[in-house]
Amino acid sequence: KNQVEQSPQSLIILEGKNCTLQCNYTVSPFSNLRWYKQDTGRGPVSLTIMTFSENTKSNGRYTATLDADTKQSSLHITASQLSDSASYICVVSPASGGSYIPTFGRGTSLIVHP
Amino acid sequence: DAGITQSPRHKVTETGTPVTLRCHQTENHRYMYWYRQDPGHGLRLIHYSYGVKDTDKGEVSDGYSVSRSKTEDFLLTLESATSSQTSVYFCAISEKAGYTEAFFGQGTRLTVV
Repeated sequence: KNQVEQSPQSLIILEGKNCTLQCNYTVSPFSNLRWYKQDTGRGPVSLTIMTFSENTKSNGRYTATLDADTKQSSLHITASQLSDSASYICVVSPASGGSYIPTFGRGTSLIVHP
Repeated sequence: DAGITQSPRHKVTETGTPVTLRCHQTENHRYMYWYRQDPGHGLRLIHYSYGVKDTDKGEVSDGYSVSRSKTEDFLLTLESATSSQTSVYFCAISEKAGYTEAFFGQGTRLTVV
């Protein structure tokens, strides 16, 4: 069964600090890996998407890395802001299987304190 | 923002009653998905559609049915609501298989009492 594990489950940091969120997956072969940000009471919004051939992708202060050999991805947030408080979800889509249904991680809840 | 509208946004219903949630898109995307999100579980796929009248089950489809009679509308029906179906429901759309671009609606909070 395809699995996506995220760590830590929750994280509290001070405004201005950096942090890194982890995603380990078993989906293989995979088509793409995406990180979403979900604010409380809202739907998830895509931050980055990477194919198996990419190893880094940036979106402003968000930088995602991918190691397809170890099946690990990380999301690094630089100079955190209060608005970064949200849940961050890792999603991996398979490269085969007909329906290409992705597997979602349970998310990391990030709280940024002033 | 992608044109996805979920309705209603909030609903309280009684156990045993039927409930229909609607997802409407203006992007003309082929694929539409219904998810539920519960604490400790993340997002779980209920049903999805890969075209008009073409639907398939996800991992938590028991107790739910769907219909798609038009490209823009995807309906999720709880035939007889139970308390275990209290959840936040999200609709998502994508243009292609492989989930290369997927956009989510704002969610519907359903409470079954």
